[in-house]
Amino acid sequence: AQKVTQAQTEISVVEKEDVTLDCVYETRDTTYYLFWYKQPPSGELVFLIRRNSFDEQNEISGRYSWNFQKSTSSFNFTITASQVVDSAVYFCALRGGFSASGTYKYIFGTGTRLKVLA
Amino acid sequence: EAGVVQSPRYKIIEKKQPVAFWCNPISGHNTLYWYRQNLGQGPELLIRYENEEAVDDSQLPKDRFSAERLKGVDSTLKIQPAELGDSAVYLCASSLISAGEGYTFGSGTRLTVV
Repeated sequence: AQKVTQAQTEISVVEKEDVTLDCVYETRDTTYYLFWYKQPPSGELVFLIRRNSFDEQNEISGRYSWNFQKSTSSFNFTITASQVVDSAVYFCALRGGFSASGTYKYIFGTGTRLKVLA
Repeated sequence: EAGVVQSPRYKIIEKKQPVAFWCNPISGHNTLYWYRQNLGQGPELLIRYENEEAVDDSQLPKDRFSAERLKGVDSTLKIQPAELGDSAVYLCASSLISAGEGYTFGSGTRLTVV
């Protein structure tokens, strides 16, 4: 079974603080993909990053960075020097490998609401 | 480039009425997805299309939900009859291939069944 857990329901930080959003996943697949999406108040989910299971390199994109650790089944997301515009719900997602029937599971976590206060 | 376009943006209907949602994916994206997002939850897949073929509809409540993607481009999701529990945001997404890349989502249709 596949599962994505985002234990932090809501986080509030003051602008310019760093914040880390946690994501823990479960899968038996050897090949899988992990994603982060941002959902601002407008409702549209915005793709941020994809990681495949064979690439454990951490990635930095501007103020965003991601820490993928297979040993702990975690794919955490850090925003450095947070800004008010970062306020949104952030979803972690897991896509498993293809099953015998040609389908795959693409599971979203329940999301973490980030509030950045001015 | 236009993103994934969905309409309507909002819809309020009485229970037992039918409702339809429309999605136009990004040009060239052959994979199209319909998701349902309940309040405070992550999106849940309803159906996935590869071109005009529904390759995964295992989570679609087929007694009342139906979908089509004629010509492998835009798609329609229908509910008939709607129930109170169908109130949610219905999201459409598309991707170039279903090989693990990120999806591009539309803004969704917020359905309220009263």
